[in-house]
Amino acid sequence: QVQLVDSGGGVVQPGGSLRLSCAASGFSFSSYGMYWVRQAPGKGLEWVAFVGSTESYTQYADSVKGRFTISRDNSKNTLYLQMNSLKSDDTAVYFCAKPRGGGAPQPFDSWGQGSLVTVSS
Amino acid sequence: EIVLTQSPATLSLSPGERATLSCRASQSVSSNLAWYQQKPGQTPRLLIYDASNRATGIPARFSGSGSGTDFTLTVSSLEPEDFAVYYCQQRSNWPLTFGGGTKVEIK
Repeated sequence: QVQLVDSGGGVVQPGGSLRLSCAASGFSFSSYGMYWVRQAPGKGLEWVAFVGSTESYTQYADSVKGRFTISRDNSKNTLYLQMNSLKSDDTAVYFCAKPRGGGAPQPFDSWGQGSLVTVSS
Repeated sequence: EIVLTQSPATLSLSPGERATLSCRASQSVSSNLAWYQQKPGQTPRLLIYDASNRATGIPARFSGSGSGTDFTLTVSSLEPEDFAVYYCQQRSNWPLTFGGGTKVEIK
């Protein structure tokens, strides 16, 4: 069965950096574009970033563009999110998410358990 | 950016009652709309995709309808496990956006 395991969260000071990872198994990882979605404490869901199956195509929310970089290693079945210049507004649980199909953006049918990122001095 | 507005923010109902949740888009998303359920401390679960298609394993009491800018999620008869927060999401345009959520609580 599909499994997504998020890791790498923690407490970081404003302006700092952090890299999240998502280890995927149970499906053909290299065939799917992948996503990061975040949820601030007590708030709703916010899409963060997308990377195509071969990493040649990426999309970012305006709120993170220029600061976050999504990438993947298909040989390791792992998705990454490099977060730089972190702000307090970036405090959230970050989920990796798998779409239900390939091609155009698809709804998310599997989610990682989430990694909590806290930006605080 | 396509803004999704969900209403009501909170719906107070009793088990066995019918729940009707609304999601309105600021511009047409065709049928490219999904619904998710999230319970406290859990990850979201895909309920409905492409406006009206139930995801794998989702009970028949959940149904979705609509196209263009107005969408509805209906739970025909609420079970105790259905009390949760529900989000709509569009995949028609970048950036992908979610609605603010509707909390279905026990009356």
